[in-house]
Amino acid sequence: AQKITQTQPGMFVQEKEAVTLDCTYDTSDPSYGLFWYKQPSSGEMIFLIYQGSYDQQNATEGRYSLNFQKARKSANLVISASQLGDSAMYFCAMRVGWVGAQKLVFGQGTRLTINP
Amino acid sequence: EPEVTQTPSHQVTQMGQEVILRCVPISNHLYFYWYRQILGQKVEFLVSFYNNEISEKSEIFDDQFSVERPDGSNFTLKIRSTKLEDSAMYFCASSATTTGVPQETQYFGPGTRLLVL
Repeated sequence: AQKITQTQPGMFVQEKEAVTLDCTYDTSDPSYGLFWYKQPSSGEMIFLIYQGSYDQQNATEGRYSLNFQKARKSANLVISASQLGDSAMYFCAMRVGWVGAQKLVFGQGTRLTINP
Repeated sequence: EPEVTQTPSHQVTQMGQEVILRCVPISNHLYFYWYRQILGQKVEFLVSFYNNEISEKSEIFDDQFSVERPDGSNFTLKIRSTKLEDSAMYFCASSATTTGVPQETQYFGPGTRLLVL
């Protein structure tokens, strides 16, 4: 069964420090995609970064990078130089299903709090 | 930057009433999705929609739920007879296509918070 596991319910980090949010996944499909979304207290889901299962290099988007370790089935999100505005829930998700009927499977989320 | 919009932002309804949640996907996107998030829980897939028909639905998406694209811009989720356990945040999402194949990234709307009393 396809599953996303986020083992850190909460993380507390000092402003300007780097933070790593853990995500492991389980799938038997050879083709899949991995995503991170940010959910601030206002509730919207903001797309941060994407990694395809066949991508050779780790994805980066500004201060966000995805540490993709295929053999370990992990897709950790790294936020460099954290800011107060990074405080939010972070969800790891995996695209599953055949090409014409994709869906996202989400983890339980990690609540990140950045302290000044 | 184009974005997915949803209305209303909040809706309170009585158990047994019908509700329609509305979404306007990003204009050149052709794949549409509904997800829900019960308070404090993870986001769950409900249904995907392409070419005016359902591509896939979850076991949550029973006969009480239906989706429709009534015109060229709106995408709706109808719950026919709401139950207390339907209280949740409902997210619409859309993704672009390349020659009919959905691109990977799904962009989410801000959500509709539904409360069933």
